[in-house]
Amino acid sequence: DIQMTQSPSSLSASVGDRVTITCRASQGISNYLAWYQQKPGKIPKLLIYAASTLQSGVPSRFSGGGSGTDFTLTISSLQPEDVATYYCQQYDSAPLTFGGGTKVEIK
Amino acid sequence: EVQLVESGGGLVQPGRSLRLSCAASGFTFDDYAMHWVRQAPGKGLEWISSISWKSGSTGYADSVKGRFTISRDNAKNSLYLQMNSLRTEDTALYYCAKDVSFGSAWYFDSWGQGTLVTVSS
Repeated sequence: DIQMTQSPSSLSASVGDRVTITCRASQGISNYLAWYQQKPGKIPKLLIYAASTLQSGVPSRFSGGGSGTDFTLTISSLQPEDVATYYCQQYDSAPLTFGGGTKVEIK
Repeated sequence: EVQLVESGGGLVQPGRSLRLSCAASGFTFDDYAMHWVRQAPGKGLEWISSISWKSGSTGYADSVKGRFTISRDNAKNSLYLQMNSLRTEDTALYYCAKDVSFGSAWYFDSWGQGTLVTVSS
């Protein structure tokens, strides 16, 4: 099974800060990586797929990068509505696996 | 608008069975693979099962293999999860999720609100 490791597990940043979350796969997954945002008490929402392609309707302050084993999700200017837990998910091979999540809070 | 509505959750004793359903609308159901993902209270997301658009292919997480069975009825626009031999560690919110792509891409662009399964004596 491919293990997905996210870091940090939580972070606190100020409004307007640039925030970067890292996701590492235990083996190469090409660009078969998606990112989801889950706001408190809400269902997950797809943000990015194919490692760097923004899902329709997602604000452009979100961006994704990487390939192989190392990936990033960047919020270029953190907004209050971005408070959420973010998950990466690999879809290179079964079983599909998620990272443990990164909780983003406002300082 | 895509809608996914799960039902069938509840409180069940260890070792018993439960069947979850997911009613889909707003898209051509039989064109897409479908999935079940769960989230234990206060924990992260865990994929547990997928089924291809014509039910020709299914997949399961090791944690549920041999105990859970995914199925679909394309005529009824419905997805199911038969859960047998339930364990306390199966306690979670169970989400039905739609695949992103015609056919299957194995990631998810629409989620239901979830149905809570609590396994406890």
